[in-house]
Amino acid sequence: EVQLVESGGGLVQPGGSLRLSCAASGFTFSSYWLTWVRQAPGKGLEWVANIKEDGSEKYYVDSVKGRFTISRDNAKNSLFLQMSSLRAEDTAVYFCAVGIQIWPFDYWGQGTLVTVSS
Amino acid sequence: DIVMTQTPLSSPVTLGQPASISCRSSQSLVHSDGNTYLNWLQQRPGQPPRLLIYKTSNRLSGVPDRFSGSGAGTDFTLKISRVEAEDVGVYYCIQATQLPYTFGQGTKLEIK
Repeated sequence: EVQLVESGGGLVQPGGSLRLSCAASGFTFSSYWLTWVRQAPGKGLEWVANIKEDGSEKYYVDSVKGRFTISRDNAKNSLFLQMSSLRAEDTAVYFCAVGIQIWPFDYWGQGTLVTVSS
Repeated sequence: DIVMTQTPLSSPVTLGQPASISCRSSQSLVHSDGNTYLNWLQQRPGQPPRLLIYKTSNRLSGVPDRFSGSGAGTDFTLKISRVEAEDVGVYYCIQATQLPYTFGQGTKLEIK
């Protein structure tokens, strides 16, 4: 069974940093692109970033470029999102997602809430 | 960036009646590989999104056949032939043809 479990969310002050993790199981982690998607409270979905199987390609939405870094550890079946210079508008539930049979994703985690507030 | 526009944003429907959601893209979603990467997701309250339809019209295994997708180019539609209570939630289209991938605003399906 495919499982994606996010962690690392919490309350952080504007300008602060946070590192999200996504632990994966039930599939060959190193064979698939992985994605972060976020959802602000009561709002719609926003694609944030994705990373190639071997980490050699990474793409970001403009609003997080230069502030967020996506990475992965294939040996530990883990996906990460390093977030810095956080802003109030980064407040959201962050989901990790993978596309095993369907591009770009057909499995989602439950999400982790990041709140940026003073 | 490709802008995805869904209509309506809210859809009150009577149980057993059909529902239809439109999704239009600001440019063609035909990829250079010939595929059209337009997917439909359902998000029930308090749940992560769930994929229903991929590449315009392909139903994911396990998705009830009352859900269907159609369209081409820039104009796409999700139809529910007979709405059931479990269909309540927000429906999103997403284009995965061109980075950054972009979602529609979401359509809230509710029962009258």
